[in-house]
Amino acid sequence: DTGVSQNPRHKITKRGQNVTFRCDPISEHNRLYWYRQTLGQGPEFLTYFQNEAQLEKSRLLSDRFSAERPKGSFSTLEIQRTEQGDSAMYLCASSSLQRQGSYEQYFGPGTRLTVT
Amino acid sequence: AQSVTQPDIHITVSEGASLELRCNYSYGATPYLFWYVQSPGQGLQLLLKYFSGDTLVQGIKGFEAEFKRSQSSFNLRKPSVHWSDAAEYFCAVGPNDYKLSFGAGTTVTVRA
Repeated sequence: DTGVSQNPRHKITKRGQNVTFRCDPISEHNRLYWYRQTLGQGPEFLTYFQNEAQLEKSRLLSDRFSAERPKGSFSTLEIQRTEQGDSAMYLCASSSLQRQGSYEQYFGPGTRLTVT
Repeated sequence: AQSVTQPDIHITVSEGASLELRCNYSYGATPYLFWYVQSPGQGLQLLLKYFSGDTLVQGIKGFEAEFKRSQSSFNLRKPSVHWSDAAEYFCAVGPNDYKLSFGAGTTVTVRA
Protein backbone atom coordinates (compact mmCIF):
# COMPACT_ATOMS: atom_id res chain seq x y z
CA ASP A 1 0.00 0.00 0.00
CA THR A 2 1.85 3.05 -1.25
CA GLY A 3 -0.96 5.51 -0.62
CA VAL A 4 -2.70 7.90 -2.98
CA SER A 5 -0.30 9.82 -5.19
CA GLN A 6 -0.93 13.00 -7.12
CA ASN A 7 1.09 14.67 -9.85
CA PRO A 8 2.26 17.27 -10.20
CA ARG A 9 2.47 18.53 -6.63
CA HIS A 10 2.63 22.13 -7.79
CA LYS A 11 1.51 23.79 -10.99
CA ILE A 12 1.83 27.42 -11.98
CA THR A 13 0.02 28.44 -15.12
CA LYS A 14 -1.11 31.55 -16.88
CA ARG A 15 -4.75 32.49 -17.10
CA GLY A 16 -6.40 30.93 -20.12
CA GLN A 17 -4.13 27.89 -20.26
CA ASN A 18 -5.33 24.33 -19.81
CA VAL A 19 -3.98 22.14 -17.02
CA THR A 20 -4.31 18.45 -16.22
CA PHE A 21 -3.73 16.73 -12.91
CA ARG A 22 -3.30 13.04 -12.30
CA CYS A 23 -4.32 10.92 -9.33
CA ASP A 24 -3.18 7.35 -8.72
CA PRO A 25 -5.38 5.74 -6.07
CA ILE A 26 -4.50 2.95 -3.73
CA SER A 27 -4.51 -0.16 -5.84
CA GLU A 28 -7.81 -2.04 -5.85
CA HIS A 29 -9.72 0.91 -4.42
CA ASN A 30 -12.86 1.09 -6.53
CA ARG A 31 -13.94 4.61 -5.52
CA LEU A 32 -12.05 7.78 -6.36
CA TYR A 33 -12.92 11.34 -5.33
CA TRP A 34 -11.82 14.84 -6.26
CA TYR A 35 -12.01 17.80 -3.88
CA ARG A 36 -10.91 21.42 -4.08
CA GLN A 37 -9.51 23.27 -1.07
CA THR A 38 -8.98 27.02 -1.02
CA LEU A 39 -6.94 28.86 1.57
CA GLY A 40 -8.58 28.89 4.98
CA GLN A 41 -11.36 26.53 3.95
CA GLY A 42 -12.06 22.86 4.17
CA PRO A 43 -12.13 20.63 1.10
CA GLU A 44 -15.15 20.93 -1.20
CA PHE A 45 -16.49 17.87 -2.96
CA LEU A 46 -16.17 18.04 -6.75
CA THR A 47 -16.92 14.58 -8.10
CA TYR A 48 -16.50 10.87 -7.53
CA PHE A 49 -16.09 7.68 -9.50
CA GLN A 50 -17.04 4.13 -8.78
CA ASN A 51 -14.73 2.10 -10.98
CA GLU A 52 -14.78 3.97 -14.31
CA ALA A 53 -18.24 5.49 -13.89
CA GLN A 54 -18.51 9.11 -12.78
CA LEU A 55 -21.50 8.93 -10.47
CA GLU A 56 -21.86 12.43 -9.11
CA LYS A 57 -20.66 15.93 -9.92
CA SER A 58 -20.91 19.02 -7.77
CA ARG A 59 -22.29 22.26 -9.15
CA LEU A 60 -18.81 23.62 -8.41
CA LEU A 61 -17.61 21.58 -11.38
CA SER A 62 -18.23 24.03 -14.20
CA ASP A 63 -18.10 23.17 -17.90
CA ARG A 64 -14.40 24.03 -17.89
CA PHE A 65 -13.69 21.11 -15.60
CA SER A 66 -13.66 17.50 -16.71
CA ALA A 67 -12.61 14.37 -14.89
CA GLU A 68 -12.00 10.90 -16.22
CA ARG A 69 -11.09 7.55 -14.83
CA PRO A 70 -10.38 5.26 -17.77
CA LYS A 71 -10.33 1.57 -16.88
CA GLY A 72 -11.17 2.38 -13.30
CA SER A 73 -7.58 2.95 -12.25
CA PHE A 74 -5.91 6.39 -12.27
CA SER A 75 -7.91 9.55 -12.79
CA THR A 76 -7.27 12.88 -14.45
CA LEU A 77 -8.81 16.25 -13.73
CA GLU A 78 -8.54 18.80 -16.52
CA ILE A 79 -9.29 22.50 -16.22
CA GLN A 80 -9.68 24.36 -19.48
CA ARG A 81 -9.16 28.11 -19.89
CA THR A 82 -7.98 28.53 -16.32
CA GLU A 83 -9.08 31.55 -14.30
CA GLN A 84 -7.47 33.09 -11.26
CA GLY A 85 -10.35 31.80 -9.17
CA ASP A 86 -9.25 28.26 -9.98
CA SER A 87 -6.16 28.73 -7.81
CA ALA A 88 -6.53 26.14 -5.06
CA MET A 89 -5.31 22.81 -3.78
CA TYR A 90 -6.89 19.91 -5.65
CA LEU A 91 -7.19 16.80 -3.52
CA CYS A 92 -7.78 13.25 -4.61
CA ALA A 93 -8.97 10.45 -2.37
CA SER A 94 -9.77 6.79 -2.87
CA SER A 95 -11.66 4.16 -0.92
CA SER A 96 -12.94 0.62 -0.90
CA LEU A 97 -15.64 -1.12 1.05
CA GLN A 98 -14.58 -1.77 4.64
CA ARG A 99 -15.64 -4.75 6.73
CA GLN A 100 -18.15 -2.62 8.64
CA GLY A 101 -19.91 -1.75 5.40
CA SER A 102 -18.58 1.76 4.92
CA TYR A 103 -16.04 3.47 2.72
CA GLU A 104 -13.07 5.22 4.34
CA GLN A 105 -11.47 7.87 2.15
CA TYR A 106 -7.68 8.00 1.95
CA PHE A 107 -6.39 11.34 0.72
CA GLY A 108 -3.41 12.18 -1.42
CA PRO A 109 -1.09 15.15 -0.72
CA GLY A 110 -2.81 17.32 -3.30
CA THR A 111 -1.81 19.40 -6.32
CA ARG A 112 -1.46 23.10 -5.65
CA LEU A 113 -2.53 25.17 -8.65
CA THR A 114 -1.58 28.81 -8.99
CA VAL A 115 -3.08 30.75 -11.88
CA THR A 116 -1.27 34.01 -12.67
CA ALA B 1 -28.18 20.42 2.38
CA GLN B 2 -25.67 19.60 5.05
CA SER B 3 -23.18 22.02 6.55
CA VAL B 4 -20.53 22.07 9.25
CA THR B 5 -19.41 24.85 11.57
CA GLN B 6 -16.14 24.75 13.44
CA PRO B 7 -16.41 27.80 15.71
CA ASP B 8 -12.73 27.95 16.67
CA ILE B 9 -10.34 29.01 13.92
CA HIS B 10 -7.25 28.63 16.06
CA ILE B 11 -6.57 26.97 19.44
CA THR B 12 -3.33 27.04 21.40
CA VAL B 13 -2.80 24.38 24.03
CA SER B 14 0.11 23.41 26.27
CA GLU B 15 1.74 20.04 25.78
CA GLY B 16 0.16 17.56 28.17
CA ALA B 17 -3.05 19.55 28.51
CA SER B 18 -6.42 18.37 27.28
CA LEU B 19 -7.85 19.44 23.95
CA GLU B 20 -11.43 19.82 22.76
CA LEU B 21 -12.36 20.91 19.25
CA ARG B 22 -15.94 21.87 18.55
CA CYS B 23 -18.01 20.81 15.58
CA ASN B 24 -21.66 21.65 14.93
CA TYR B 25 -23.47 20.28 11.95
CA SER B 26 -26.70 20.88 10.13
CA TYR B 27 -28.40 17.89 8.58
CA GLY B 28 -31.93 16.61 8.61
CA ALA B 29 -31.36 12.95 9.32
CA THR B 30 -28.70 10.99 11.16
CA PRO B 31 -25.51 12.01 9.43
CA TYR B 32 -22.23 10.31 8.76
CA LEU B 33 -19.66 12.28 10.83
CA PHE B 34 -15.90 12.37 10.51
CA TRP B 35 -12.83 14.07 11.94
CA TYR B 36 -9.73 14.45 9.76
CA VAL B 37 -6.30 15.86 10.55
CA GLN B 38 -4.06 17.63 8.03
CA SER B 39 -0.39 18.29 8.68
CA PRO B 40 1.59 20.64 6.41
CA GLY B 41 2.48 18.92 3.17
CA GLN B 42 0.48 15.84 4.11
CA GLY B 43 -2.85 14.52 2.95
CA LEU B 44 -5.86 14.46 5.22
CA GLN B 45 -5.88 11.53 7.59
CA LEU B 46 -9.04 10.09 9.09
CA LEU B 47 -9.02 10.21 12.90
CA LEU B 48 -12.43 8.71 13.55
CA LYS B 49 -15.95 8.39 12.20
CA TYR B 50 -19.51 7.90 13.41
CA PHE B 51 -22.29 6.23 11.47
CA SER B 52 -24.48 4.68 14.15
CA GLY B 53 -24.36 2.87 17.48
CA ASP B 54 -22.33 4.01 20.47
CA THR B 55 -22.21 7.80 20.47
CA LEU B 56 -18.71 7.89 21.95
CA VAL B 57 -16.27 6.98 19.23
CA GLN B 58 -12.62 6.09 19.71
CA GLY B 59 -10.12 6.95 17.02
CA ILE B 60 -6.44 6.82 16.28
CA LYS B 61 -3.72 8.74 18.10
CA GLY B 62 -5.70 8.78 21.36
CA PHE B 63 -8.57 10.91 20.01
CA GLU B 64 -12.24 10.39 20.77
CA ALA B 65 -15.43 12.17 19.75
CA GLU B 66 -18.96 12.22 21.07
CA PHE B 67 -22.06 12.50 18.91
CA LYS B 68 -24.81 14.52 20.59
CA ARG B 69 -27.93 14.56 18.47
CA SER B 70 -29.74 17.06 20.71
CA GLN B 71 -26.94 19.58 20.27
CA SER B 72 -26.09 18.67 16.65
CA SER B 73 -22.50 18.38 17.76
CA PHE B 74 -19.59 16.03 17.25
CA ASN B 75 -16.76 17.41 19.39
CA LEU B 76 -13.26 15.94 19.26
CA ARG B 77 -11.26 15.41 22.44
CA LYS B 78 -7.83 14.27 23.54
CA PRO B 79 -6.89 13.97 27.22
CA SER B 80 -3.21 14.85 26.85
CA VAL B 81 -1.81 16.63 23.82
CA HIS B 82 1.60 15.87 22.32
CA TRP B 83 3.66 18.33 20.27
CA SER B 84 3.03 16.15 17.21
CA ASP B 85 -0.70 16.93 17.45
CA ALA B 86 -0.07 20.41 16.09
CA ALA B 87 -2.00 20.42 12.81
CA GLU B 88 -5.24 21.49 11.22
CA TYR B 89 -8.36 19.53 12.11
CA PHE B 90 -11.44 19.22 9.96
CA CYS B 91 -14.89 18.00 10.88
CA ALA B 92 -16.99 16.61 8.02
CA VAL B 93 -20.61 15.54 7.63
CA GLY B 94 -22.41 13.66 4.91
CA PRO B 95 -25.60 11.89 4.03
CA ASN B 96 -23.37 8.96 3.25
CA ASP B 97 -19.70 8.11 3.27
CA TYR B 98 -18.78 9.67 -0.06
CA LYS B 99 -20.29 13.13 -0.43
CA LEU B 100 -18.75 14.95 2.50
CA SER B 101 -19.07 18.59 3.53
CA PHE B 102 -16.11 19.86 5.50
CA GLY B 103 -15.87 22.63 8.04
CA ALA B 104 -13.34 25.43 7.62
CA GLY B 105 -10.96 23.75 10.03
CA THR B 106 -9.35 24.49 13.39
CA THR B 107 -5.61 25.04 13.60
CA VAL B 108 -4.06 23.62 16.76
CA THR B 109 -0.79 25.01 18.07
CA VAL B 110 0.97 23.13 20.87
CA ARG B 111 3.28 25.08 23.12
CA ALA B 112 6.01 23.47 25.17
